[in-house]
Amino acid sequence: GENVEQHPSTLSVQEGDSAVIKCTYSDSASNYFPWYKQELGKRPQLIIDIRSNVGEKKDQRIAVTLNKTAKHFSLHITETQPEDSAVYFCAASIGGNQFYFGTGTSLTVIP
Amino acid sequence: SAVISQKPSRDICQRGTSLTIQCQVDSQVTMMFWYRQQPGQSLTLIATANQGSEATYESGFVIDKFPISRPNLTFSTLTVSNMSPEDSSIYLCSVAQGQGEKLFFGSGTQLSVL
Repeated sequence: GENVEQHPSTLSVQEGDSAVIKCTYSDSASNYFPWYKQELGKRPQLIIDIRSNVGEKKDQRIAVTLNKTAKHFSLHITETQPEDSAVYFCAASIGGNQFYFGTGTSLTVIP
Repeated sequence: SAVISQKPSRDICQRGTSLTIQCQVDSQVTMMFWYRQQPGQSLTLIATANQGSEATYESGFVIDKFPISRPNLTFSTLTVSNMSPEDSSIYLCSVAQGQGEKLFFGSGTQLSVL
């Protein structure tokens, strides 16, 4: 199956700074790349996604970029706030048939 | 998004016993999946629950250990059989729904095996 790598595993930023999380995937057939936020003790929540026919997508303070040639995609969070502190997972999917997840990034926003 | 109900929410079980986890969705969905999330770890796909046919298992997971049923488009069960402490984990039901088949998760079952 697909192999998704995610970096960094932990990230600490000052409130108001930006945070960037990067993922790479192995299967060139993957065409859908969602990002999830998981707060402690809760289920993963979909926060943004991107499809392979799009290079960038933004939703308020979060954005995702995709480089199909290099097989990597990134999550960008600007103007970070303490409530952004959570574990973030990237994933890759081929047409929604299976979803494979990265190893997760624990983000801490320091007030 | 669909409302995904999963039960039990948590259980403590004895070694060698089995536990069946239920997942109920409030609308018909094409794809249902079962994931395992060990403490502090990522989400590992166990299997795809196929309606009316045998589940498709990922490498490292077998039907004898994790039998799955999916009798219709709104319900699935995962059984963790002959449990050992290594099976202690959170088990998550998920469904792919909506335009482009976005993935959503149930609330999870936290399993502890003594």
